[in-house]
Amino acid sequence: QSVLTQPPSVSGAPGQRVTISCTGSSSNIGAGYYVNWYQQFPGRAPKLLISENNNRPSGVPDRFSGSKSGTSASLDISGLQAEDEADYYCQSYDNSLTKSYVFGSGTKVTVL
Amino acid sequence: EVQLVQSGAEVKKPGESLKISCQGSGYSFTSHWIGWVRQMPGRGLEWMGIIYPRDSDTRYSPSFQGQVTISADKSISTAYLQWSSLKASDTAIYYCARPFGDRRLGLSYYYMDVWGQGTTVTVPS
Repeated sequence: QSVLTQPPSVSGAPGQRVTISCTGSSSNIGAGYYVNWYQQFPGRAPKLLISENNNRPSGVPDRFSGSKSGTSASLDISGLQAEDEADYYCQSYDNSLTKSYVFGSGTKVTVL
Repeated sequence: EVQLVQSGAEVKKPGESLKISCQGSGYSFTSHWIGWVRQMPGRGLEWMGIIYPRDSDTRYSPSFQGQVTISADKSISTAYLQWSSLKASDTAIYYCARPFGDRRLGLSYYYMDVWGQGTTVTVPS
């Protein structure tokens, strides 16, 4: 059971906008810790997509954007492309019993 | 170029010991933390623990405390993850990753900016 909850899957047609939610609590996202997002293709290592809530590392297309509010965060993909079909994970820090980094349960994005 | 290169895939028997490695290059290895992440077959990412190679300060996620040992050899810029007695449930891909961020805010605000390619560990039951 992941500390951060994501929908198992989202889908959209090419060119559409999709949003992936990441729901936490007052001991992680709600405590003010950053939310980061990673993209993972099958058989590949995760790759940093969004850091510190809404920063895109060099090379990440600007159709990817992140936001955070209260105990939740979101990853938006605008202008969905076929190559965006992958798994996406949110990550933050939890200051309760775990006192550790925590990952979301992961969301599979399917391009119809 | 900052890189983390991990050791190759392993197939071991239950009860055997194992040590896998992650070598950093392209940056000051002793100035950055290194962490380990588990991904069981068809499952999500799980944070295992972290080490600061300069002084070997090590912190474990409660789920992995006592189950694995994280170490580092700063002379060869390499971090390790080891098991003393493997179980079938240890079958997974293990990634090393570098936590990075604003030092003024501290480790709690870091993100994983570089990842190793992963090491597949298989322990048939």
